[in-house]
Amino acid sequence: DIVLTQSPDSLAVSLGERATINCKSSQSVLYSSNNRNYLAWYQQKPGQPPKLLIYRASTRESGVPDRFSGSGSGTDFTLTISNLQAEDVAVYYCQQYYDTFYTFGQGTKLEIK
Amino acid sequence: QLQLQESGPGLVKPSETLSLTCSVSGGSISSSNHYWGWIRQPPGKGLEWIATIHYGGNTYYNPSLRGRVTISVDSSKGQFSLQVTSVAAADTATYYCARHLGRQWFDYWGQGTLVTISS
Repeated sequence: DIVLTQSPDSLAVSLGERATINCKSSQSVLYSSNNRNYLAWYQQKPGQPPKLLIYRASTRESGVPDRFSGSGSGTDFTLTISNLQAEDVAVYYCQQYYDTFYTFGQGTKLEIK
Repeated sequence: QLQLQESGPGLVKPSETLSLTCSVSGGSISSSNHYWGWIRQPPGKGLEWIATIHYGGNTYYNPSLRGRVTISVDSSKGQFSLQVTSVAAADTATYYCARHLGRQWFDYWGQGTLVTISS
């Protein structure tokens, strides 16, 4: 199975600042035939289901603010939240769909400093 | 707007079978481009994918749960279901149903249902 390791496990960022969350895959999730990275990012607020933010590593889901951006390729990926807002407090997960044994990272808890 | 709603018992005894149903509304479960899955989350922990199905019958299972898990679909009712046999305390979790777009990312999720395994 493909193991996704997120870092850090938790972070605290001041309002208006930038938050950076990393996701490292145990093997490449870049599909060579279409040059797409099979990685998504989700946001989960307390008591709510996860919400899709990013797919194909860098494509924002419709309706997601452009403060959220994804980058990376192969085995190393980053979710960046610019101009942090209070409503961004949540746990963030990466997920790979390169393998049909779908796996998630362990999650990164984002708080306000 | 597509909506998914989980239903089933909130309490199951150890060694028994957990059965959940996801009802899909606002869209067709019989779309060739969509798959349907179950994901669970133990209290205070992360997400674990359980199984995925296509209305045509193709199924995919988490190898760590294979043998205990069955996913099925009833297109006429717009529902898909999950059964987990021989449950134990470790199966206590919030169970989510979700839609895969093309067996890739999960773009719509139900609100989740907490299932507790306890005698």
